[in-house]
Amino acid sequence: DIQVTQSPSSLSASVGDRVTITCRASQSISTYFNWYQQKPGKAPKLLIYLASTLQSGVPSRFSGSGSGTDFTLTISSLQPEDFATYFCQQSYNIPYTFGQGTKLEIK
Amino acid sequence: QVQLVQSGAEVKKPGASVKLSCKASGYTFTNYYIHWLRQAPGQGLEWMGIINPTGVYIRYAQEFQGRVTMSRDTSASTVYMDLTSLRSEDTAVYYCVRAGCSSITCSKGIDYWGQGTPVTVSS
Repeated sequence: DIQVTQSPSSLSASVGDRVTITCRASQSISTYFNWYQQKPGKAPKLLIYLASTLQSGVPSRFSGSGSGTDFTLTISSLQPEDFATYFCQQSYNIPYTFGQGTKLEIK
Repeated sequence: QVQLVQSGAEVKKPGASVKLSCKASGYTFTNYYIHWLRQAPGQGLEWMGIINPTGVYIRYAQEFQGRVTMSRDTSASTVYMDLTSLRSEDTAVYYCVRAGCSSITCSKGIDYWGQGTPVTVSS
């Protein structure tokens, strides 16, 4: 199975800050990598697929990069609605595997 | 619009079984794989298995082998997930999801999620 390691597990930031979350896959997966946002009591929502493609309707302050084993999600200027938990996921092979999540909290 | 509508919350005793349903609408049911995931309270997301709605391809995660069965009713555009020998560690929200591809290696991510079915296992 492909392991996905996400860091940090939690992050405190202020509105307007730039934040970065990283994930590492245990083997090369090209760009078959996705990012999700989850708010309490809700299903996750797809933000970015294929490592860097913004899902329709997602604000442009979200961006993704990476290929191979190392991937990054960046939020360029945090907005109040961005405080949530973020998960990364590989879709290169089954079992699809997820990072442990990053809880983004207001400082 | 694409929707995945799941069955309602369940409360089960240890050792029991649960069968969850997921009704798809708004797209051609047989064109996309459905996956089942779960999320224990305060935890991350765990992949349980995949079913091709044609029924030809079904795979389960190793940790659920022997306890899980996925099936489908094409005429009702519905997939099912049956989990047996429930234990307290199975308490979680269970999601059916659609990956935006008709292949395992998927370039589109999980684009649609059911609303989730909470399952509580308690004596």
